[in-house]
Amino acid sequence: AQSVTQPDIHITVSEGASLELRCNYSYGATPYLFWYVQSPGQGLQLLLKYFSGDTLVQGIKGFEAEFKRSQSSFNLRKPSVHWSDAAEYFCAVGAGLGGNKLTFGTGTQLKVEL
Amino acid sequence: GAVVSQHPSWVICKSGTSVKIECRSLDFQATTMFWYRQFPKQSLMLMATSNEGSKATYEQGVEKDKFLINHASLTLSTLTVTSAHPEDSSFYICSARAEYNEQFFGPGTRLTVL
Repeated sequence: AQSVTQPDIHITVSEGASLELRCNYSYGATPYLFWYVQSPGQGLQLLLKYFSGDTLVQGIKGFEAEFKRSQSSFNLRKPSVHWSDAAEYFCAVGAGLGGNKLTFGTGTQLKVEL
Repeated sequence: GAVVSQHPSWVICKSGTSVKIECRSLDFQATTMFWYRQFPKQSLMLMATSNEGSKATYEQGVEKDKFLINHASLTLSTLTVTSAHPEDSSFYICSARAEYNEQFFGPGTRLTVL
């Protein structure tokens, strides 16, 4: 069975600083990998996804993630964080047809200091 | 992006009563809908997958008779928590996907059972 680990429960960064959120996965085959953001009162929003091909994936809102098979990692990065990026971030691995059966990590709460 | 709504956003009920939560895809036809449960400060756990016109497929450990799922149309799925008890209190999130498309998530429903 697949699993996802997000080692950091909380992260605080200053506005304008760079950000990296860690994600490690366990899956027997080539994984479908996702990063979602959850803001209060809103549904999870897909930031980016990896299915195959280029291991550096660009997403919305200036986020990117890099798939490293050797490390079983899919870390999320952003070069300069904005105050509006404060939210909960979830990494997920997908199984089944199209990777739609999602297993989520426990999430990382991002706080941005002004 | 596509919009998924949930109703109600928050419900309080007495122990032993049943509660129905609606999930609607507002601007697309959802061939598949998913129901998740999220405990405070924890990850989303997939409860069941439903395809329009078919019986839902429940994940291991999820009681079918406790959590009734109906996906009667391409835009509506309902989750009924029957004979609710305090331990059923949680945040319930649905998602919907059109064929060969990504999942779009609703904003969630917070259930409190007294």
